[in-house]
Amino acid sequence: TQLLEQSPQFLSIQEGENLTVYCNSSSVFSSLQWYRQEPGEGPVLLVTVVTGGEVKKLKRLTFQFGDARKDSSLHITAAQPGDTGLYLCAGDRGGTYKYIFGTGTRLKVLA
Amino acid sequence: DTGVSQDPRHKITKRGQNVTFRCDPISEHNRLYWYRQTLGQGPEFLTYFQNEAQLEKSRLLSDRFSAERPKGSFSTLEIQRTEQGDSAMYLCASSLEGSSYEQYFGPGTRLTVT
Repeated sequence: TQLLEQSPQFLSIQEGENLTVYCNSSSVFSSLQWYRQEPGEGPVLLVTVVTGGEVKKLKRLTFQFGDARKDSSLHITAAQPGDTGLYLCAGDRGGTYKYIFGTGTRLKVLA
Repeated sequence: DTGVSQDPRHKITKRGQNVTFRCDPISEHNRLYWYRQTLGQGPEFLTYFQNEAQLEKSRLLSDRFSAERPKGSFSTLEIQRTEQGDSAMYLCASSLEGSSYEQYFGPGTRLTVT
């Protein structure tokens, strides 16, 4: 059973376009993280959200945690080729610090 | 500033052989995690340590897998009698208890079982 579903699975866009990636679950999470992973490397933490409805911005990236803490979204404005990678969300269900990862969204930004 | 390191980065072994991977966490981090990631999937939790105590093990971690963190610093993950299904990227992460939930990942060890 996959607790965290990400959509879309794959996304190929042109440089300068905007995009949104979704992370959905029927479970409530104490906290949720977004990572970016490049081939052959470990995931790199982008942001952690802990409060329902929370919005965090990291340059051109905007992260939102759903009010019920069951879902999250990542919006990228004016995507650049350097944004290419696998985007993963990960949730902690009970403050255990044991994270359940989503299925991932593979983004390719074409120059 | 040293992050999480893992050794080796790549390992090719024949089915039935034993392999051992090492993870060196960020020095002040007392929590250490092992994950397994197969192609096209997100990482799956295997086990985690708080200091030297192994607090939780996933059902994914069969009895052929064992992990240790003897002095609460580095950790090893051993796989005995490897099978082709063990081929994956093995990721280690560390965090500081009481910190803002942040895990830092190492580069991973890619295991190929032939």
